[in-house]
Amino acid sequence: EDKVVQSPLSLVVHEGDTVTLNCSYEVTNFRSLLWYKQEKKAPTFLFMLTSSGIEKKSGRLSSILDKKELFSILNITATQTGDSAVYLCAPPANAGGTSYGKLTFGQGTILTVHP
Amino acid sequence: NAGVMQNPRHLVRRRGQEARLRCSPMKGHSHVYWYRQLPEEGLKFMVYLQKENIIDESGMPKERFSAEFPKEGPSILRIQQVVRGDSAAYFCASSATLNTEAFFGQGTRLTVV
Repeated sequence: EDKVVQSPLSLVVHEGDTVTLNCSYEVTNFRSLLWYKQEKKAPTFLFMLTSSGIEKKSGRLSSILDKKELFSILNITATQTGDSAVYLCAPPANAGGTSYGKLTFGQGTILTVHP
Repeated sequence: NAGVMQNPRHLVRRRGQEARLRCSPMKGHSHVYWYRQLPEEGLKFMVYLQKENIIDESGMPKERFSAEFPKEGPSILRIQQVVRGDSAAYFCASSATLNTEAFFGQGTRLTVV
C-alpha cells in the first residue's frame, strides 16, 4: 500500500520567516509527486515534480524532489499571513496505475503564519 | 474558463435519506475524481470516472455509494440511506488527461442529522 508521511504536522511562524515542509513517500512504480495548498476549501495545485534534483519555483514557493531518498520538500520564503493553510503532498496512487488525478494524500502540514 | 463546479456547497440530510452531489469538470476535462474528507482526516480517493465509464472505484464504500458521469451533464455522487458517518466534505477534481494535474472544486459539505 502506498504511504505518504508529511512533517511537521503543524508549524507556527511569524511573517517573514522561511519554512521547509517535508514529504516522504513509499510508492510502487513512482512517477511524480504533487503539492497542493488547502485553505478551508478546495485544494489548490502548486507543483508537480517528476524529475529528481530539479527545483520548481513559483514566487516565494519552491519545491524539489529526491527520488533516491524518496522525499520532497516545499520551501516558502518571506512568509505572509496569506500562506496560512494546510499543505498537502500527493503522489499519484499506483493501484491501477492509471492517472495523476488518483492521488494518495499525506496528512498535511498545518502552517500558521502570525503577523 | 470556470473551474470545477460543485453543487450544492452545503447539504443537510436526515438519516435514511438520499444525497446527490454534482460536479461539473473544467471545460475540456474528461477525467473526474471524487474524494472524501472526514472531519480531522485527510483527503481519501473514492472513484475515478471518464465519460460514461467508471475507471477505478477502489475507494468507494461497497454499499450505498454510487457514481456516474453521463455523456451529457455533470458527474453525480449518490449516497443512499445516509448515516451520520457519511458527514464529510466531498471534493470533486478533474483533469484534461491521464498525465496532467487535477484541479479541485470547492467541495460539498454534507451533514447528516
